[in-house]
Amino acid sequence: KQEVTQIPAALSVPEGENLVLNCSFTDSAIYNLQWFRQDPGKGLTSLLLIQSSQREQTSGRLNASLDKSSGRSTLYIAASQPGDSATYLCAVRGGVNFGNEKLTFGTGTRLTIIP
Amino acid sequence: ETGVTQTPRHLVMGMTNKKSLKCEQHLGHNAMYWYKQSAKKPLELMFVYNFKEQTENNSVPSRFSPECPNSSHLFLHLHTLQPEDSALYLCASSPAGVDYGYTFGSGTRLTVV
Repeated sequence: KQEVTQIPAALSVPEGENLVLNCSFTDSAIYNLQWFRQDPGKGLTSLLLIQSSQREQTSGRLNASLDKSSGRSTLYIAASQPGDSATYLCAVRGGVNFGNEKLTFGTGTRLTIIP
Repeated sequence: ETGVTQTPRHLVMGMTNKKSLKCEQHLGHNAMYWYKQSAKKPLELMFVYNFKEQTENNSVPSRFSPECPNSSHLFLHLHTLQPEDSALYLCASSPAGVDYGYTFGSGTRLTVV
């Protein structure tokens, strides 16, 4: 069974700082990994999708890396802004060990940017 | 808007009621999903449909009944729910194939009283 862990569960940083969110998964036979953002009471917004053959993806101030062999991904946010405050979710799409439809989620990191 | 629309946004229902959640996408995706998000727990996959056919039922109680009349629409019919079923229900879609990401709707906040 795939398990996804996100550390820390909550993080508060002053505005302008760079920060890193961590995600780890137990089964490395994944197809891809997706980072989402969720605002309180809202749905999920996709931020970045990394295929298993890729090492990183970038979008604006966001950079996500993937080390499939070690079962780890990081989301780097540069020059943080108060609007970045949200919960960030990591999800992996299962591979050979179980159904490829399954997107397994971590419990998220709740990020607060202090103005 | 992400392209996946869920209605209603909020729903309060009694334990003896019958209600339905609706999800609609016009992204041309062929796979649709229902997820449940409860407080302090990871998102839980409930059902998967590929090309209108159910391909996954993740041990969901029969008081939840999905319906997928076509590739653009997905319903979740609810009856005789319990208070512990109160949660945010999220619909998602994706193109067929494993190389694609999911697109989620805004969810329906369900409260069972």
